[in-house]
Amino acid sequence: NAGVTQTPKFQVLKTGQSMTLQCAQDMNHNSMYWYRQDPGMGLRLIYYSASEGTTDKGEVPNGYNVSRLNKREFSLRLESAAPSQTSVYFCASSEIWMGQGDTYNEQFFGPGTRLTVL
Amino acid sequence: AQSVSQHNHHVILSEAASLELGCNYSYGGTVNLFWYVQYPGQHLQLLLKYFSGDPLVKGIKGFEAEFIKSKFSFNLRKPSVQWSDTAEYFCAVNLGPNDMRFGAGTRLTVKP
Repeated sequence: NAGVTQTPKFQVLKTGQSMTLQCAQDMNHNSMYWYRQDPGMGLRLIYYSASEGTTDKGEVPNGYNVSRLNKREFSLRLESAAPSQTSVYFCASSEIWMGQGDTYNEQFFGPGTRLTVL
Repeated sequence: AQSVSQHNHHVILSEAASLELGCNYSYGGTVNLFWYVQYPGQHLQLLLKYFSGDPLVKGIKGFEAEFIKSKFSFNLRKPSVQWSDTAEYFCAVNLGPNDMRFGAGTRLTVKP
């Protein structure tokens, strides 16, 4: 099993350019997530998809769009890149299950995409 | 606002020293708690997790963490660090089905 894979690994864009980050998982998970990681701020959720066909905003969605293409794939699109979007982007997936009144959610992360916007 | 606080931004230790990294969260309900590690240039990997039961949880590579509900804390410990433990460590709290909050991270440098 490859787990969670992301492409590309690195990308440099000019302000105003667009691009799509790809993510795929082979663990048959229902939920998928996009985070950005910035120094001193940990990971912040951009968007998530609880199941195929659904997407929801996270903490920092502005400037991004997502598509849950099928159960395996969840892409993140920057329509008009800005320098503030320079970051490392991580995709994650998880299976959420309920037990004894509690919710359990363990996320598995991809290797990340380092994006620089000039 | 719900938050996760990691008190130490950068910790420098010598090999064989003991480690304790602090993590506090501000949420009164039932939570799942995690510690992730990120080695230089790599993605996040799960060190250990707490869902319920014994508040002292053991993870990989000799790490353990203790959940103290009254203090809203989930501190990470290791009795004797190695140079290979040099990495960034993230505490995370799952507040709901799709609501995982991460701390800002603690960078650990272990001197050989």
